[in-house]
Amino acid sequence: DVKVTQSSRYLVKRTGEKVFLECVQDMDHENMFWYRQDPGLGLRLIYFSYDVKMKEKGDIPEGYSVSREKKERFSLILESASTNQTSMYLCASSLLTGVPYNEQFFGPGTRLTVL
Amino acid sequence: GIQVEQSPPDLILQEGANSTLRCNFSDSVNNLQWFHQNPWGQLINLFYIPSGTKQNGRLSATTVATERYSLLYISSSQTTDSGVYFCAGNNRLAFGKGNQVVVIP
Repeated sequence: DVKVTQSSRYLVKRTGEKVFLECVQDMDHENMFWYRQDPGLGLRLIYFSYDVKMKEKGDIPEGYSVSREKKERFSLILESASTNQTSMYLCASSLLTGVPYNEQFFGPGTRLTVL
Repeated sequence: GIQVEQSPPDLILQEGANSTLRCNFSDSVNNLQWFHQNPWGQLINLFYIPSGTKQNGRLSATTVATERYSLLYISSSQTTDSGVYFCAGNNRLAFGKGNQVVVIP
């Protein structure tokens, strides 16, 4: 079974702090994704990566950056956290089989609160 | 970008009842997937179904790609089916806002 893990289930940070959210998958998937989920808005793609050191912006990349130094690990960085970044953050991974968004598997999520 | 509409947004079911959830896309769609998010927030991939019909236990899904919709059937619902069901599709995986399902005993 695919296993996607995220470093924290709950996180509380202060405005202006730098925040790192870590995601690790153990199935050698090429693609990794970061989403945020807000009530009434569904899931929105922040960034994705299809290979080590490769990244592409999703629909809402502003205020975020990412890092993928190893295939199994994809980090989401909030350079200076703001209250409007309070949200549930979900990481996902999938195989690269010609079409990038093939059968995604999700981590348990990190509920981030920025005070 | 592509728009994804899910209906009904909210559904309350008596345990044992059957139901159908629908997902409509504004444009042609591929990579269509259905997910279930449990009350603890975990998203589970139910079906990868770009076309045709698949069944997994009490759940089945049908996608008619040419008509830009997909259906998820829940038969003999159980309380563990409660949660939010999402469909998503296309190259940049666009999600609907979900179907909130509550199954009462």
